[in-house]
Amino acid sequence: GQQVMQIPQYQHVQEGEDFTTYCNSSTTLSNIQWYKQRPGGHPVFLIQLVKSGEVKKQKRLTFQFGEAKKNSSLHITATQTTDVGTYFCAGYNFNKFYFGSGTKLNVKP
Amino acid sequence: DAGITQSPRYKITETGRQVTLMCHQTWSHSYMFWYRQDLGHGLRLIYYSAAADITDKGEVPDGYVVSRSKTENFPLTLESATRSQTSVYFCASTGTGVVNEQFFGPGTRLTVL
Repeated sequence: GQQVMQIPQYQHVQEGEDFTTYCNSSTTLSNIQWYKQRPGGHPVFLIQLVKSGEVKKQKRLTFQFGEAKKNSSLHITATQTTDVGTYFCAGYNFNKFYFGSGTKLNVKP
Repeated sequence: DAGITQSPRYKITETGRQVTLMCHQTWSHSYMFWYRQDLGHGLRLIYYSAAADITDKGEVPDGYVVSRSKTENFPLTLESATRSQTSVYFCASTGTGVVNEQFFGPGTRLTVL
C-alpha cells in the first residue's frame, strides 16, 4: 500500500544551526503538503508543492519536491526556539493524503 | 469565527462502549476528514467525506463509523471501543477540492480502559 516515510524521527539542534527533514514515498505523488504541529497543538499547514522539482521558500524555510515526485524535503536555516515542534509531510495519491510519521525538532537556546 | 471545533476534548471510556466524537466547521467546507495520531505513526486517515451524504474509507477504517447528514458536521463513532483505539483524534476540513490546505480541529484525546 501507499507509504510515506519520514526521517529523522527526532532532531536536536542548537539554536542557530540548520535543520532538514526528508520525506520519501514508495510511489509517485500528485502533490505534497507540509505541516507543523507545536507540542500539545494541532497540525498547521505550511505549504503545498505540486510541480516536479519545485522549490518554495518561506523566510528561513525551504521546501523542495523531487524531480520524480517521490521525495521532498524541508530545510530550516538558522533555527530559532520558535521552530520547536513536529514537522509532517503529507503526500497526496489515490484520492487521499498519506502522512509521514513526522520529525520532532527540539531547539536548545 | 469559530472555524473547526471538536468535542469532547478529552474522553475516557471503557472497552466495549460506544463513543461518538463530534466535529463541526463553520466554513461550509466540502471535504472533511478524521485522522488518528499515535506515536510513531503520524496521522492516519480513518474516513473522509467529500460532501453531505458522501463518505469513504481511509487507511484505518475498521471499528469506526461516520455519517454526514449536514455539511458542517462530521461525527465519528466507535461502535465498540477497544484499547487499541486509544489515541488523539483530529478532524480536518478543506475548501474547494480535496487537494488543498487542510484545517485541523484542536483534537480529542480518547482513552479506552
